[in-house]
Amino acid sequence: DTGVSQNPRHKITKRGQNVTFRCDPISEHNRLYWYRQTLGQGPEFLTYFQNEAQLEKSRLLSDRFSAERPKGSFSTLEIQRTEQGDSAMYLCASSPEGLATEAFFGQGTRLTVV
Amino acid sequence: AQSVTQLDSQVPVFEEAPVELRCNYSSSVSVYLFWYVQYPNQGLQLLLKYLSGSTLVESINGFEAEFNKSQTSFHLRKPSVHISDTAEYFCAVILFNKFYFGSGTKLNVKP
Repeated sequence: DTGVSQNPRHKITKRGQNVTFRCDPISEHNRLYWYRQTLGQGPEFLTYFQNEAQLEKSRLLSDRFSAERPKGSFSTLEIQRTEQGDSAMYLCASSPEGLATEAFFGQGTRLTVV
Repeated sequence: AQSVTQLDSQVPVFEEAPVELRCNYSSSVSVYLFWYVQYPNQGLQLLLKYLSGSTLVESINGFEAEFNKSQTSFHLRKPSVHISDTAEYFCAVILFNKFYFGSGTKLNVKP
């Protein structure tokens, strides 16, 4: 296992279309995070899983966004009816259980909504 | 509420010069502090972290950061930068297993 893997790396979609991103965390990590990063900003927290349970969602995550981690391994982030404001880098990270453990980030999926 | 402020969006510096990237945090509870680095077209990588103990923490590539509770700061320093240090640096705090990031500082090292 070489790290957190995200697919696709880039996605261009038309406004109104649905998109789905995948994240494969480091295999022994039970925590998985999704973040969004826009130009000139740091990553913003979207949601967080402990195994298959989604423990917290940011109010940034509107009803058009849904994330799953069905077997506590890989995770998907779906955006329905995309809007131009959804254009951003979507980052996935994983970490082992423990106090203040380091999060390991994937390279991200860059979404462009045209 | 937790927030992280990075006061400088860009820091240009000449090679072999010292550099300081500033970070201040606000939190009503104890926090754990991190610096992450993002090289072009790469994901974020941990540079160093402060959890407890000595307030001065070091990375393997010559960076150090000092936790200052009274000033609520965690500034990142390097006495002599290299071209390869050109990247964006993010300060972060973790609270209840969530990371909160600053807006980042782009370090541009010039020859």
